[in-house]
Amino acid sequence: DAMVIQNPRYQVTQFGKPVTLSCSQTLNHNVMYWYQQKSSQAPKLLFHYYDKDFNNEADTPDNFQSRRPNTSFCFLDIRSPGLGDAAMYLCATSRGSSVVYNEQFFGPGTRLTVL
Amino acid sequence: DQQVKQNSPSLSVQEGRISILNCDYTNSMFDYFLWYKKYPAEGPTFLISISSIKDKNEDGRFTVFLNKSAKHLSLHIVPSQPGDSAVYFCAASANSGGSNYKLTFGKGTLLTVNP
Repeated sequence: DAMVIQNPRYQVTQFGKPVTLSCSQTLNHNVMYWYQQKSSQAPKLLFHYYDKDFNNEADTPDNFQSRRPNTSFCFLDIRSPGLGDAAMYLCATSRGSSVVYNEQFFGPGTRLTVL
Repeated sequence: DQQVKQNSPSLSVQEGRISILNCDYTNSMFDYFLWYKKYPAEGPTFLISISSIKDKNEDGRFTVFLNKSAKHLSLHIVPSQPGDSAVYFCAASANSGGSNYKLTFGKGTLLTVNP
């Protein structure tokens, strides 16, 4: 089945220790997104890649970086995690502007705990 | 500034009855609306959508209604089943400006269907 996979599902890191979350997709979609979701909040878009083009949201802290080495994989790097970065991180994909109406397909998420 | 609002954090209904989840939006450029369902420890999954050229879209037990003049949409689930218990997110996108692949989410409504 075509899908969006996130690893690990649960990640524990220490305050200030860099951490990388990974996402892969078998849908061959053009766009890959990273969202941060905290309890009882809307998913908050951090950035997205449209093919190789990186698009950062204006309010995404510099502490968050991303890499997309190929169509299938996308990584979220948190350079110095703070306690406020503890959240669920969701990866999603979509076809992009080649279709008129875009659904986004989500992975199961990575729950990040910062000690 | 929340452009997509789900004002009811939670809703509880009896099995077999109708569930009505509401969503309001403020951005008049939004022209495509989606509902996502999210179980605990899983990513959101697409449920149903509607474009602004329609006022109703139906898929089995799920119907979405759009009232553009009121900037309001609702999701009806009939009949409700215990397996429908989840968080439901309303999301919207704007096709203009080449950004139809970005979604704005509401905070979600927790639906509990009691047997």
